[in-house]
Amino acid sequence: EVQLVESGGGLVQPGGSLRLSCAVSGFTFSRYWMSWVRQAPGKGLEWVANIKQDGSEKYYVDSVKGRFTISRDNAKNSLFLEMDSLRAEDTAVFYCARVETHMITIGGLTVDFDYWGQGTLVTVSS
Amino acid sequence: DIQMTQSPSSLSASVGDRVTITCRASQSITTYLSWYQQKPGKAPKLLIYAASSLQSGVPSRFSGSGSGTDFTLTINSLQPEDFATYYCQQSYSNPITFGQGTRLEIK
Repeated sequence: EVQLVESGGGLVQPGGSLRLSCAVSGFTFSRYWMSWVRQAPGKGLEWVANIKQDGSEKYYVDSVKGRFTISRDNAKNSLFLEMDSLRAEDTAVFYCARVETHMITIGGLTVDFDYWGQGTLVTVSS
Repeated sequence: DIQMTQSPSSLSASVGDRVTITCRASQSITTYLSWYQQKPGKAPKLLIYAASSLQSGVPSRFSGSGSGTDFTLTINSLQPEDFATYYCQQSYSNPITFGQGTRLEIK
């Protein structure tokens, strides 16, 4: 059974730091891109970052570039999100998600999130 | 960035109804379009990928169509467990973006 379990959320002051972790099981972690997706209270979904299987490629939404760092430890089947210079607008439930790619008819690959964790709440407030 | 706009933002329907949710991209995304279902307090669930392909384990009453900029999610014969919020998502280019969501409520 595929499982993703996030941890590390909590209350932090503006300007502070937090490190989120996602422990995965039930699939070969090193074969998949992984992502973080967040959801502010009562709002929609926002993709945050992606990381390639070997960690050699990372992509971020503009609003977190330079402040957040995605990483992974394939030996420990774990995904991480280091968050610095946190702002009130970063308050959200953060989900880790497995990336599945699908070949489409014109030869490209879609990026879909086929398994998700239960989420961990990050609250940035003084 | 590619903007994804869903309509309507909310709708009410009854068990057994057929409903359609629309998603429009701000530029062509060919078929790099996915649909998700999210229930309160739960993580999203992938329903449709590549605009019209049904994710494994998803009931066949869900279907997707469209290409370019205009897409639809159709749910035939609504079941009680289908009342939830639905999101579209494009992966044509970074940043990956989602629609604002469509809340499907019981009439």
